[in-house]
Amino acid sequence: KNEVEQSPQNLTAQEGEFITINCSYSVGISALHWLQQHPGGGIVSLFMLSSGKKKHGRLIATINIQEKHSSLHITASHPRDSAVYICAVKVGQFYFGTGTSLTVIP
Amino acid sequence: DVKVTQSSRYLVKRTGEKVFLECVQDMDHENMFWYRQDPGLGLRLIYFSYDVKMKEKGDIPEGYSVSREKKERFSLILESASTNQTSMYLCASRGTHPNTGELFFGEGSRLTVL
Repeated sequence: KNEVEQSPQNLTAQEGEFITINCSYSVGISALHWLQQHPGGGIVSLFMLSSGKKKHGRLIATINIQEKHSSLHITASHPRDSAVYICAVKVGQFYFGTGTSLTVIP
Repeated sequence: DVKVTQSSRYLVKRTGEKVFLECVQDMDHENMFWYRQDPGLGLRLIYFSYDVKMKEKGDIPEGYSVSREKKERFSLILESASTNQTSMYLCASRGTHPNTGELFFGEGSRLTVL
């Protein structure tokens, strides 16, 4: 079973700050998925990547396959970014981290 | 907009009751999944299906069964609900591309078993 570790577990930031959430895993993977979960439960896909970097609006995801590590960055954070961010790695099936709870204060 | 719809957002059941959780997707995806989410444990795979009438056990199938009679519908069944099955249940679907097939999730069904 692949271990997926996210850090930090909880994060509080002021509006406008640059935020980084990290994800490390222990075995070779075919892809990595960043997901966002708002209060109430619904989960939304942010990125799926297997190499390099992807950008969508203020969100940037990077992955280093050799170091088995991925980061999710949020630039110019906003209170609406408050959510739980979940990393999932694909090893056959998907295995999930326990999430990083982000609160952005106005 | 692509959509995964779960039939019930909140359910309260008694120990021993039979529980059906239904999930429908409109993306013509082959792969469908049922997860449960518990604090501190992340999402854990209960069952998945890669085609109609096909099903595979995930990591925690005990106490659950599934049904996939049509491509768009994947049902999770708790034959005799127990209190340790109180949880958030999430359905997801995915296309067949091995590396770019993103997971699409429903809104979740929060089940409480008394």
